[in-house]
Amino acid sequence: EIVLTQSPDFHSVTPKERITITCRASQSIGSSLHWYQQKPAQSPKILIKYASQSMSGVPSRFSGSGSGTDFTLTINSLEAEDAAAYYCHQSSSLTGTFGQGTKVEIK
Amino acid sequence: EVQLVESGGGLVQPGGSLRLSCAASGFTFSDYWMSWVRQAPGKGLEWVANIKQDGSEKYYVDSVRGRFTISRDNAKNSLLLQMNSLRAEDTAVYYCTRAAALDYWGQGVLVTVSS
Repeated sequence: EIVLTQSPDFHSVTPKERITITCRASQSIGSSLHWYQQKPAQSPKILIKYASQSMSGVPSRFSGSGSGTDFTLTINSLEAEDAAAYYCHQSSSLTGTFGQGTKVEIK
Repeated sequence: EVQLVESGGGLVQPGGSLRLSCAASGFTFSDYWMSWVRQAPGKGLEWVANIKQDGSEKYYVDSVRGRFTISRDNAKNSLLLQMNSLRAEDTAVYYCTRAAALDYWGQGVLVTVSS
């Protein structure tokens, strides 16, 4: 099983800050890494697919990078509405796995 | 508009069975891998199972293999999850999702396993 480890587990930030969330895979997964945002009592929503491909309707302040084992989600100029949990997911292997999640709190 | 609507959740006793359904619309269902993902109360996301476009390949997380069966009916645009020998640790919201990238999610359905 491919293990995904996110860091940090928790981010407390002020509006307009820039934050990065990292996701490290236990083995190379190429670019088969996707990022999701989940707000309380809502279904997850995809932000970035295949490491760096932005999704239609997602604000441009969200971007992704990386390949192989190390990946990053960057949120530029954080807004209050970005308070949520963020998860990475790999689809490289036949059985998928998720990172443990990163909770972002807005001060 | 892509829509995924789950149904079939509820309260079941340990050892019991439940069948979840997902009705898909707004896209060509038979063109996509489909998956189930779950989330236990207050916990993170867990990938559960997926199935190839024609149903010829199916994969499961170790904790449900042998107890859960994923299937699909392309004529009815529906995804199914048959859950047997349910345990307390299977209590979760179950989501139906599309494609390898999980680019669309349903609203989720709650399964509670308790006596």
